[in-house]
Amino acid sequence: EAGVAQSPRYKIIEKRQSVAFWCNPISGHATLYWYQQILGQGPKLLIQFQNNGVVDDSQLPKDRFSAERLKGVDSTLKIQPAKLEDSAVYLCASSSTVFDTQYFGPGTRLTVL
Amino acid sequence: RKEVEQDPGPFNVPEGATVAFNCTYSNSASQSFFWYRQDCRKEPKLLMSVYSSGNEDGRFTAQLNRASQYISLLIRDSKLSDSATYLCVVISVGGSYIPTFGRGTSLIVHP
Repeated sequence: EAGVAQSPRYKIIEKRQSVAFWCNPISGHATLYWYQQILGQGPKLLIQFQNNGVVDDSQLPKDRFSAERLKGVDSTLKIQPAKLEDSAVYLCASSSTVFDTQYFGPGTRLTVL
Repeated sequence: RKEVEQDPGPFNVPEGATVAFNCTYSNSASQSFFWYRQDCRKEPKLLMSVYSSGNEDGRFTAQLNRASQYISLLIRDSKLSDSATYLCVVISVGGSYIPTFGRGTSLIVHP
């Protein structure tokens, strides 16, 4: 079974630039999550989708971050414009249901200069 | 008070030692609990789910104490390869089911 795919793996940008991350979940998984993990901290949930609907985005900085999950499969997370404090690893995860094991992709390591 | 709290450690133990971590949660309506393992610069991977009756998988034992609102992870006969960060995850009900991760506990097993 193929795992969660993410791209790019690494991204370096300057502040005020835009960046987009892509995630392809495990086939058949209805729930998709985007997390931000800053060094030394646990993953922080940014947004949770159930199929193509948003379940929770209470911790998503909506003035600069946006996410979508078209057709309930792939998802993209965008940051526009980026700030220095956005430097982190962005993890995508998926699960069959909200109660099941989450499977994580390898993450995208973002550095904002 | 944070929703999910863990002692960040590091816990520095010799091979063969037994070590235990706790994770406290504040939402009494929490429904599901998990322990994940995260190696340096890698993604988190499920270690084990935590059931009300407790569960064991080889050298690892997880327990849930709903009255005191914490979960625990016990590792017996520690191996060098157990060195990692251990993250607890709590899924709470608040209109929908939302996962919250602790900051993780770092374990270093030395020869």
